[in-house]
Amino acid sequence: AQSVTQLDSHVSVSEGTPVLLRCNYSSSYSPSLFWYVQHPNKGLQLLLKYTSAATLVKGINGFEAEFKKSETSFHLTKPSAHMSDAAEYFCVVSEDTGFQKLVFGTGTRLLVSP
Amino acid sequence: DAGVTQSPTHLIKTRGQQVTLRCSPKSGHDTVSWYQQALGQGPQFIFQYYEEEERQRGNFPDRFSGHQFPNYSSELNVNALLLGDSALYLCASSLASGAYEQYFGPGTRLTVT
Repeated sequence: AQSVTQLDSHVSVSEGTPVLLRCNYSSSYSPSLFWYVQHPNKGLQLLLKYTSAATLVKGINGFEAEFKKSETSFHLTKPSAHMSDAAEYFCVVSEDTGFQKLVFGTGTRLLVSP
Repeated sequence: DAGVTQSPTHLIKTRGQQVTLRCSPKSGHDTVSWYQQALGQGPQFIFQYYEEEERQRGNFPDRFSGHQFPNYSSELNVNALLLGDSALYLCASSLASGAYEQYFGPGTRLTVT
């Protein structure tokens, strides 16, 4: 079974400083990986996805992630945090069974201080 | 273009009761998946519907059932509600032929008392 581990439950940064949210995955196949963001009382929004094309994936709102097979990692980064980035972030892997079952990590809460 | 919509937004039920949640997929999508998100947790896959059939199911008891209609909209039914069923229920839609990209609705917050 495929799984993801988000290494930090909370990350605190100051506005304007870089963001790093860490994710390791476990997969028997070449995985499809995603990052979703969830703002309070809102649904999940797709930030970016990796589906075996370029290993450096650019997403919305200045976020990007790099797929590193040797490290089984898919960390999310942003050069400069904005107050509006404060939210819950989920690393997600899709089971490569021909279906589209998503397996979520436990989430990382990003706190951004002025 | 309307995204994924869910109704109701909030719901309060009593233990032992039954509940039905509804989802309309994003225009053009043919596949609907349901997830349960308990407080402080990541969403957990319940099941997925395509062509009006349940084609994959997560580790949820038979009390959880669903349906997909010819217009691709879907319902999630939960019978004999337990306190532990209190959660945010998320619906996601996608294309069966797509690259696993799912679009989520805002969710239905179910509280069981």
